[in-house]
Amino acid sequence: DTGVSQNPRHKITKRGQNVTFRCDPISEHNRLYWYRQTLGQGPEFLTYFQNEAQLEKSRLLSDRFSAERPKGSFSTLEIQRTEQGDSAMYLCASSLAPGSNYGYTFGSGTRLTVV
Amino acid sequence: RKEVEQDPGPFNVPEGATVAFNCTYSNSASQSFFWYRQDCRKEPKLLMSVYSSGNEDGRFTAQLNRASQYISLLIRDSKLSDSATYLCVVTPFDTGRRALTFGSGTRLQVQP
Repeated sequence: DTGVSQNPRHKITKRGQNVTFRCDPISEHNRLYWYRQTLGQGPEFLTYFQNEAQLEKSRLLSDRFSAERPKGSFSTLEIQRTEQGDSAMYLCASSLAPGSNYGYTFGSGTRLTVV
Repeated sequence: RKEVEQDPGPFNVPEGATVAFNCTYSNSASQSFFWYRQDCRKEPKLLMSVYSSGNEDGRFTAQLNRASQYISLLIRDSKLSDSATYLCVVTPFDTGRRALTFGSGTRLQVQP
């Protein structure tokens, strides 16, 4: 286990289609986060899990977005009825504990393009 | 007003120069502070944590001023490889919000 893994790396989809992304965190990390990053901006928080519990969702996470972490390991982020404004890099991060000096480890991201 | 504000740059500096980035944050409950580095089309990576007493890691020095809600990063003897976007990051661990809040980043271009 060398880090946070995200799949796919790139996704091009037509507007209105559903897409699902997967994140495999570092195995011993119990916290998992999803962020979205658009060009020229820093990553924006979407949601986070502690083990399998989804503890917080940003107001950015509209009803079309849903995230799961069913067994407290990998997580999926689904976007239904995609819109062009959903085009962004979707980043997953994991951590062992808040406030640690280790920061968070990010995956390489999934770049979504909605055409 | 954004929770974390940074000058977007770009900062264009020659190799060997010293460059400083500043960042302000609005949430006084912020407890932990970081600088992340992000290369073009790559994920952010932790550069260094920022401690109240200030801290140094090689050519990089970070400072925190809680009273002014201000964080800085100083890079000495800039290298071409330092060219990247530097993201200021805060997080309030004393509230329910556990996630990182990022600034928009400051772009650095070190020129030969």
